[in-house]
Amino acid sequence: NAGVMQNPRHLVRRRGQEARLRCSPMKGHSHVYWYRQLPEEGLKFMVYLQKENIIDESGMPKERFSAEFPKEGPSILRIQQVVRGDSAAYFCASSPSDPQLTDTQYFGPGTRLTVL
Amino acid sequence: DQQVKQNSPSLSVQEGRISILNCDYTNSMFDYFLWYKKYPAEGPTFLISISSIKDKNEDGRFTVFLNKSAKHLSLHIVPSQPGDSAVYFCAARLQTGANNLFFGTGTRLTVIP
Repeated sequence: NAGVMQNPRHLVRRRGQEARLRCSPMKGHSHVYWYRQLPEEGLKFMVYLQKENIIDESGMPKERFSAEFPKEGPSILRIQQVVRGDSAAYFCASSPSDPQLTDTQYFGPGTRLTVL
Repeated sequence: DQQVKQNSPSLSVQEGRISILNCDYTNSMFDYFLWYKKYPAEGPTFLISISSIKDKNEDGRFTVFLNKSAKHLSLHIVPSQPGDSAVYFCAARLQTGANNLFFGTGTRLTVIP
């Protein structure tokens, strides 16, 4: 039973390039969350998605950042025109289809983005 | 605005003794609390949770206590083992149904053999 999968595990980009981070939720999970962890800080919520819908993007910067969770395939977090301040660990979590029944989010191993 | 706070960045405990990790929160609308454990270069691993309608939840060596009036929760690990050495994050969820978690900044636990 595979857990939450994220790829790539490490991503290096130069300023101005685009970064694409992928997340495949656990089997049977249709809710996906993205969090960002800056050095020496806790995880900060960015966006919550269900299949083909963004439910809550209140934690996501208004510019350059976007997320999607298509009907088929993984969830994608896209960062356009990356800047050094985007360097962080990006974690994806998933939860079962009905969050009212189970409140626990299960996390992937993260993608460590480094912007040169 | 840090709504979930872990004021001790680190804690060292002798193997076999009790580890107590503390967490405070400011928002009385939180209704569900979780503890995660994180090793370097890995994602957080769920440990134990507690609903706001309870004041204690136990799972093996791990017990979480919730004091709603003080807006305080703690994680007790007994007996502590060297494999418990990791960063522990406290997280909370709002009762409004928004499912995002609010995380503390973490406490690094070191269990000394």
